[in-house]
Amino acid sequence: GESVGLHLPTLSVQEGDNSIINCAYSNSASDYFIWYKQESGKGPQFIIDIRSNMDKRQGQRVTVLLNKTVKHLSLQIAATQPGDSAVYFCAETYQGAQKLVFGQGTRLTINP
Amino acid sequence: EPEVTQTPSHQVTQMGQEVILRCVPISNHLYFYWYRQILGQKVEFLVSFYNNEISEKSEIFDDQFSVERPDGSNFTLKIRSTKLEDSAMYFCASRQGSGNTGELFFGEGSRLTVL
Repeated sequence: GESVGLHLPTLSVQEGDNSIINCAYSNSASDYFIWYKQESGKGPQFIIDIRSNMDKRQGQRVTVLLNKTVKHLSLQIAATQPGDSAVYFCAETYQGAQKLVFGQGTRLTINP
Repeated sequence: EPEVTQTPSHQVTQMGQEVILRCVPISNHLYFYWYRQILGQKVEFLVSFYNNEISEKSEIFDDQFSVERPDGSNFTLKIRSTKLEDSAMYFCASRQGSGNTGELFFGEGSRLTVL
């Protein structure tokens, strides 16, 4: 069945360091992937997306990498700041589907 | 910045009672969604709505659930007879474009507690 999961439930990094959050997906039909950030008590907030015809996409301080061969997705956050503390979810969908399938989430904690 | 708004922010209800959660999607958006998140777990899709009808729903969205767009601005989720396991955060979301891509905007959520 389709599922999106994460390798690590928590990640702690020093402020200023780079963070890498990983995600594995199992539905080979998925062709669109999104990273969301969820701060405590709030709804998911879009960070960056990538289509399956790309393997890398960069935003402001964030980069998403897609490896379709091993069905792996990662989010890199450069120069991590205290405001980056949140739970990060990857999500997947495919052409014709309306729903997003979310992974379990990784809690990112920034140490001063 | 336009946003999806949800009310109430928190509702406590007794098991078996009906609950209506309300959402005002972003005004020029055409696709509307409800998701839920049980405490500490991942976000789960419930239902999508387009052109005044359900376009897709999950196994969670059984006969106890219904959605409605009663006017040009509100989008509601009704749970007819709540169960303990319905306790969760319910997120409304909306999207402007066609297809399955394009940024999905989520509201702040409505926390439902069923006693």
